[in-house]
Amino acid sequence: NAGVTQTPKFQVLKTGQSMTLQCAQDMNHEYMSWYRQDPGMGLRLIHYSVGAGITDQGEVPNGYNVSRSTTEDFPLRLLSAAPSQTSVYFCASSYDSGNEQFFGPGTRLTVL
Amino acid sequence: GESVGLHLPTLSVQEGDNSIINCAYSNSASDYFIWYKQESGKGPQFIIDIRSNMDKRQGQRVTVLLNKTVKHLSLQIAATQPGDSAVYFCANREGGSEKLVFGKGTKLTVNP
Repeated sequence: NAGVTQTPKFQVLKTGQSMTLQCAQDMNHEYMSWYRQDPGMGLRLIHYSVGAGITDQGEVPNGYNVSRSTTEDFPLRLLSAAPSQTSVYFCASSYDSGNEQFFGPGTRLTVL
Repeated sequence: GESVGLHLPTLSVQEGDNSIINCAYSNSASDYFIWYKQESGKGPQFIIDIRSNMDKRQGQRVTVLLNKTVKHLSLQIAATQPGDSAVYFCANREGGSEKLVFGKGTKLTVNP
């Protein structure tokens, strides 16, 4: 099993550009989530999904969109990147929200 | 609102000593608690979890204690090793919610 994979590992954007961060898991987990981590901070929940076709907002959803068309994939879209979105983004999956979440290696995003 | 925080941002111990990392939470309806370890440049890694119907849970060299009366969670690491050096995060889930809320983390440094 590959576990949770994320692409790209690094990305530099200019303000106003759009992009999609990819996340995939091969553990047949229903629950998937996106977090951002800023220096000296814990992880903050952006969006989450409890199953295919179901998504909901976390603590910091503004500026981000998600969709969940399959169990395996949970992409995160930045529609118009802003410098405040410079961060490290982690995707995670688990059987449900009350069980261990497996994290991907992260995507380091810089918005200029 | 929900908040999860840590009493100390840094902890330095000698190799072989026991380490205790503390965490406070505010929501008495929280039903699931989890500890993660994060090494530099990597995604968080599961250590141990505990549900609200338990007070204590043990793993390999780690013990989590939950005191619901004072809304306090602690992680004890026995015979701390240099490989334990990392940032440790606690997180919890409010009962009935699908969201995990993370604390800001404690950096553990193990001195040889």
